[in-house]
Amino acid sequence: KAGVTQTPRYLIKTRGQQVTLSCSPISGHRSVSWYQQTPGQGLQFLFEYFSETQRNKGNFPGRFSGRQFSNSRSEMNVSTLELGDSALYLCASSDPGQGALFYNSPLHFGNGTRLTVT
Amino acid sequence: QKEVEQNSGPLSVPEGAIASLNCTYSDRGSQSFFWYRQYSGKSPELIMFIYSNGDKEDGRFTAQLNKASQYVSLLIRDSQPSDSATYLCAALNDYKLSFGAGTTVTVRA
Repeated sequence: KAGVTQTPRYLIKTRGQQVTLSCSPISGHRSVSWYQQTPGQGLQFLFEYFSETQRNKGNFPGRFSGRQFSNSRSEMNVSTLELGDSALYLCASSDPGQGALFYNSPLHFGNGTRLTVT
Repeated sequence: QKEVEQNSGPLSVPEGAIASLNCTYSDRGSQSFFWYRQYSGKSPELIMFIYSNGDKEDGRFTAQLNKASQYVSLLIRDSQPSDSATYLCAALNDYKLSFGAGTTVTVRA
C-alpha cells in the first residue's frame, strides 16, 4: 500500500497570505489527523477528522482550519500567515476498523509539508 | 505540566547495548501509547504501540506499560548505529496524540 501522501513538500509564503495543504491517507484509512512540529513546541495536535466530521481540535487560533472529503482525503488551510506559522505540518492516517476502536489503531505519518513564512 | 514527559537525554549507548527510554503521562484517560522514531529532517516513523498493561515485544524492541504508575517505556536491545534518532513517546486520548519532547539516542560504533 502507498503511504500517507502530503503535497506540496515545501512552501514559501509571505506574511499575511493564506495556504492550503493537502493529505491523501493510506488507502482504506478513514481517520486523518494534522500536527504541527516546530523546534520550540515539538509536535502539537491541530485536528482530527473521521468520515468528514471533525472530532477534536487542538489549541490553535481560528486561522487554522481543515476539512475532510468523502474519499477521506483532507486539506488544512492557514489564513493570514504569521512568521510563527513556519513549521513542518504533518498528516497522519489510521484505520479504526469496523468497531471504530481508535485506541488500537496506529497512526502513520506522511513526509510532511515544510512551510516557511517570510 | 506537560501531558507527556520523557527523559531528556541525550542518551549515548555503545553498539550492542540496551537503550532504555522512559515516558510518563498525566492524563489517566489516555487509552493507548505510541513510540515513534524520527530521524533528522524526516517524519515520525511508528515503532510500536501498546494499550494493555504489561510488555509487548517486536523484534529488538519491547514496550512496557504501567497504567497505575502512568509510565511507559521502550527498550531497544542490541542497539545498532541505525537506531540513532530521536524517539517520541505519545499518548492517545479523545482522538488526539499528545507527544513528549523526545529523547535523542546516539549509538556509538
